[in-house]
Amino acid sequence: EDQVTQSPEALRLQEGESSSLNCSYTVSGLRGLFWYRQDPGKGPEFLFTLYSAGEEKEKERLKATLTKKESFLHITAPKPEDSATYLCAVQAVSIQGAQKLVFGQGTRLTINP
Amino acid sequence: NAGVMQNPRHLVRRRGQEARLRCSPMKGHSHVYWYRQLPEEGLKFMVYLQKENIIDESGMPKERFSAEFPKEGPSILRIQQVVRGDSAAYFCASSPLAGRGQPQHFGDGTRLSIL
Repeated sequence: EDQVTQSPEALRLQEGESSSLNCSYTVSGLRGLFWYRQDPGKGPEFLFTLYSAGEEKEKERLKATLTKKESFLHITAPKPEDSATYLCAVQAVSIQGAQKLVFGQGTRLTINP
Repeated sequence: NAGVMQNPRHLVRRRGQEARLRCSPMKGHSHVYWYRQLPEEGLKFMVYLQKENIIDESGMPKERFSAEFPKEGPSILRIQQVVRGDSAAYFCASSPLAGRGQPQHFGDGTRLSIL
């Protein structure tokens, strides 16, 4: 069964304090790994897609990396507006050619000014 | 720049009533997905539809739940005879294509509360 585990569950940082969020996954055949950001009361907002080990993507203070077993979301010099829940999801090969995403529980990030 | 539109944003029903949740995908998107987020749990896939077809309903409960995406109009997730355990946030997502690594874009959800 495809599984995604995110750690830590919650993380508090001071503004400017860099850190990393972890996403470990087990899938039968990875078609893509996705990072989303979710603010309270809102839907997930797409950030990145990673396809293969060694790939990296960057957007402002965020950088996502991928290995064969895990992905990291690095946050450099975060600001209070980066506070949100960050979700990791995988898209796996399936017989039906289905496109479903399997999500982790998320990491709730709080940046204190 | 309209994104995925879901309505209503909040829906309150009594046990035994029916709930209808609507989703209009982004312009140009013909693939729709429904997910459920129970309190303190992650997002769980329910069903994947294309226009007039259900492609994968492996995550949807066999009883009381149904989904459609007609040729015209929004996608509908219907829950009959609701129970307390149906209380959750229901999210719809859409994509223009169905392929490797295609990102799904989400609406802001419908929060369903069962009294």
